[in-house]
Amino acid sequence: EAGVAQSPRYKIIEKRQSVAFWCNPISGHATLYWYQQILGQGPKLLIQFQNNGVVDDSQLPKDRFSAERLKGVDSTLKIQPAKLEDSAVYLCASSLGTSSGNTIYFGEGSWLTVV
Amino acid sequence: QQPVQSPQAVILREGEDAVINCSSSKALYSVHWYRQKHGEAPVFLMILLKGGEQKGHDKISASFNEKKQQSSLYLTASQLSYSGTYFCGTELGSNFGNEKLTFGTGTRLTIIP
Repeated sequence: EAGVAQSPRYKIIEKRQSVAFWCNPISGHATLYWYQQILGQGPKLLIQFQNNGVVDDSQLPKDRFSAERLKGVDSTLKIQPAKLEDSAVYLCASSLGTSSGNTIYFGEGSWLTVV
Repeated sequence: QQPVQSPQAVILREGEDAVINCSSSKALYSVHWYRQKHGEAPVFLMILLKGGEQKGHDKISASFNEKKQQSSLYLTASQLSYSGTYFCGTELGSNFGNEKLTFGTGTRLTIIP
């Protein structure tokens, strides 16, 4: 079974530039998550989709971050304009149902460095 | 509400045992345990649901103490492959979960030969 796919794996941009990350979840998984993991910290949830609807985006900095999940499958996370503090690994994850009792599977992440 | 993990880091010799704790100040519905190696994705270990159960496979097991709102991960006879950072993810709730997983700051485990 294919895992969660993410691209690009690595990205270096200058501050104030924009960047987009793509995620393809495990086939059949209704719930898709984007987490931000800063070096030395645990993953922090940015946004959670159930099919193509947003379940939770309370920690998403909406002035610069946006995400969409068209057709309830693939998802894109965009940052515009980027700040130095956005340097982190952006992890996409998916699960069959909600996180309540369901295993969440993570992708390998997209490493972002903002200079 | 971010769970608190302890210890923050531990160094063991191969074959020794370790315990990693995950605590919350609020009622927990479920606890998820993951291991992450540097530069890799977190890998799922196990889920424990409200009810004070204990789970395990091979030499890694975990318990969930509902009264203390705490989960502990036990690694026995540690192997070099156990090295990595262990995260607990907690879901709050009493009768049902709030469907939001919050991860702790992690425990870095280093196994030396």
